[in-house]
This record gives sequence, structure tokens and C-alpha cells, in this order.
Amino acid sequence: DADVTQTPRNRITKTGKRIMLECSQTKGHDRMYWYRQDPGLGLQLIYYSFDVKDINKGEISDGYSVSRQAQAKFSLSLESAIPNQTALYFCATSDDRYTDTQYFGPGTRLTVL
Amino acid sequence: DQQVKQNSPSLSVQEGRISILNCDYTNSMFDYFLWYKKYPAEGPTFLISISSIKDKNEDGRFTVFLNKSAKHLSLHIVPSQPGDSAVYFCAASDDGNQFYFGTGTSLTVIP
Repeated sequence: DADVTQTPRNRITKTGKRIMLECSQTKGHDRMYWYRQDPGLGLQLIYYSFDVKDINKGEISDGYSVSRQAQAKFSLSLESAIPNQTALYFCATSDDRYTDTQYFGPGTRLTVL
Repeated sequence: DQQVKQNSPSLSVQEGRISILNCDYTNSMFDYFLWYKKYPAEGPTFLISISSIKDKNEDGRFTVFLNKSAKHLSLHIVPSQPGDSAVYFCAASDDGNQFYFGTGTSLTVIP
């Protein structure tokens, strides 16, 4: 079984809809991250969380919110999706030290029409 | 503004030869650098890292070089193998909280 799972893997939605992307991990890591990847722009950090009570904004948090329901679960919400949020979204986890490796999930491809 | 840049979107190399992937950064406070490899339909996977106190780190066929004065790092793969064909991202951090990723270089190793 994969250490970091993301659901759904693919999603098509319409402008204005609320959508939630979910991430679960079995690595026992405290740190979790959400990134988005756009063609030609690499990965950009949306939000990160160092534990259940510690959530921080990344480079591009506008239009997104997150919830850390438990150590193992970190959800990303788009309250009112817009077409320029069409992208590939990755969840990642890491251990306590920032030099620890980040382990990525397989990604969620989101299309907003 | 992109703080980490990979100016070559793609690179093709013959099997057995050296692959050199380059990365430039603008923030002199970055002190930890990583390379990730990504296959289609998968998330990135960690490849190799280097801290700013070193100028070279080696792991098998992979070597990362850091030139702090030039704000440049490179990944050398020797010898290149067809299974190395993937997109390679470099990333950097100055505080351990946020990592800034480059745009990626797609490497194709030709058998």
C-alpha cells in the first residue's frame, strides 16, 4: 500500500463549486504539505502543517483552505473553484527536521470548467 | 518571481553518457537544496540533497554540485540509463518551512 494517498485522482468540476481534495499518510509524519503544479511553473506551496494545531500559508494560499483532521489526514478545499485553479495537486509529508525528505502522493488532476 | 530556475526544459542524452542538469537560484539565504525525480502519473520522489556547507554530495551514479558564489547547482548522472528518463526538479529552502521548486527538466536517455 502507498504511504501517501490522495483522493480523488482525477476530478472535473464547474466554476463556483466547492471541492475537497483529501490526503492520507501512513508514515507517521507530523509535517504535511499541499502543492500545485502548473505547466511551466514547477511546484508551488499552497499550505503546510507541522502538526494538527499548526497550519501555515504557503506562496499561493489565496482561494484555498485546509483542514488537518488528524496527524494522518490533511485536506485541501477550494471554496468556489475557478478555471485558473485547474492544475495537478500534490500532497507531501515529512518528518520533523526540514532536512528530512518529503514523500509525495501520486497527485490529483483537477479541471475546473 | 521564480526564486529557483531550471532554464533547460528538456535534455536528451545517449545511454552510458553523462547527464548534467542545471539549476540557478536567486535567494542567497537558501541553505538546503534537493533534487527530485518525477515519472508520469506519479508524485516526485527524492533523489539527492546538499546543504550549503558542502560543495558536493555523491550517491551512486548521482552527484550534486553546489556553487554558492554563482548561486548554481547541478546534478550529474553517470552513466545515464534509460530508466533515468523522467522530469527532474531542483528545490531550495532557507528556513526549512517552505521549499521553492524549479520548473523541471525533462531528461530523455536514448538507448
